[in-house]
Amino acid sequence: DAKTTQPTSMDCAEGRAANLPCNHSTISGNEYVYWYRQIHSQGPQYIIHGLKNNETNEMASLIITEDRKSSTLILPHATLRDTAVYYCIVRPPSGSARQLTFGSGTQLTVLP
Amino acid sequence: DAGVIQSPRHEVTEMGQEVTLRCKPISGHNSLFWYRQTMMRGLELLIYFNNNVPIDDSGMPEDRFSAKMPNASFSTLKIQPSEPRDSAVYFCASSFGTSHTYEQYFGPGTRLTVT
Repeated sequence: DAKTTQPTSMDCAEGRAANLPCNHSTISGNEYVYWYRQIHSQGPQYIIHGLKNNETNEMASLIITEDRKSSTLILPHATLRDTAVYYCIVRPPSGSARQLTFGSGTQLTVLP
Repeated sequence: DAGVIQSPRHEVTEMGQEVTLRCKPISGHNSLFWYRQTMMRGLELLIYFNNNVPIDDSGMPEDRFSAKMPNASFSTLKIQPSEPRDSAVYFCASSFGTSHTYEQYFGPGTRLTVT
């Protein structure tokens, strides 16, 4: 699996956009970028994933650079409930290994 | 949809006792995963099943740990005998599909304390 590098922690003001970066410089051509988050005392929650095009859903937007070596998760209007650890994960599309390898993630704290 | 169901939510036991954690995946999902989370090691995959068959158990710490999936709607993770270092939060997750849609849905976890 390609390794990812994320900042340990970030703060964001409530109502502002939260931009969470992730470096994955060794990503392979067929590997997807996934984002999950874990709110305190809960199980991880899927947010979004993408290959090379930017993606948007009801939770967030994912911006992947053209060389695919980094990406940014954007929470457009952060709320206090978005305070969580955010994990960036890269995985191939298929194969016998379907597990997700979680790193240390970024602790996002949304401030009132 | 009730989501992934785990029981018990909390378990406190003494060292040497047998512990059984239970998981009911989301109906229709064909892959099931057991994870363990500690402060020191983060979130680690222990084992995963596809169509009720164990595919990769390389994350299982040692022979004291065993997991079964007798049918598509139920799985257990057993620790016998338990040790204090097994104290952690154990998550079960399920997913569906053979394509790139690796959306794993996690349960609320079982917090295990071994004294």
